[in-house]
Amino acid sequence: DAKTTQPPSMDCAEGRAANLPCNHSTISGNEYVYWYRQIHSQGPQYIIHGLKNNETNEMASLIITEDRKSSTLILPHATLRDTAVYYCIVRADQTGANNLFFGTGTRLTVIP
Amino acid sequence: GAVVSQHPSRVICKSGTSVKIECRSLDFQATTMFWYRQFPKQSLMLMATSNEGSKATYEQGVEKDKFLINHASLTLSTLTVTSAHPEDSSFYICSARQDPYSPLHFGNGTRLTVT
Repeated sequence: DAKTTQPPSMDCAEGRAANLPCNHSTISGNEYVYWYRQIHSQGPQYIIHGLKNNETNEMASLIITEDRKSSTLILPHATLRDTAVYYCIVRADQTGANNLFFGTGTRLTVIP
Repeated sequence: GAVVSQHPSRVICKSGTSVKIECRSLDFQATTMFWYRQFPKQSLMLMATSNEGSKATYEQGVEKDKFLINHASLTLSTLTVTSAHPEDSSFYICSARQDPYSPLHFGNGTRLTVT
């Protein structure tokens, strides 16, 4: 699976949009971009995933660049409960290896 | 949505005893579940892949005789930490998915403390 690079930490003001970047320059054509987050002392929570088109759900939006070498997770109106470590993962779907490799992620702190 | 339940959420045990952790997929069937371990301020590390009806596949460096995995049904996998020692104290997390096209969903983890 392709390696990802994320900034170790970010701050965001409550109510503002949080934009979390991820670089995945070695991504392959069949690899999806997944985002998870982990709030302290809980299991990771699935947020969103995509292949090449931008995606939006009730939690967030995922913007993938045209060359697919990077992406941005957008939390449109950050709340204090969005404080967590956010993991960007790229993985080929529909393979026998269903595991996800978690890197170090970005620690997002939402500030009142 | 897909829900994965893990039990217990916290457990304290004495050194030398065994502890069983359960992972259940509540509203879907999972032929494959995964077990992770997470030490403080570190990321998740995969321990093993649990396959329904067959033996688990362990990652390099994980002792299969110490971390016993049983996946007896499509909705339940168990991890038993045998002869636990203080260095086994960690946060253990399981995950599962409905099919190869669905995202992995995680349990809320089990905080194991061995005294």
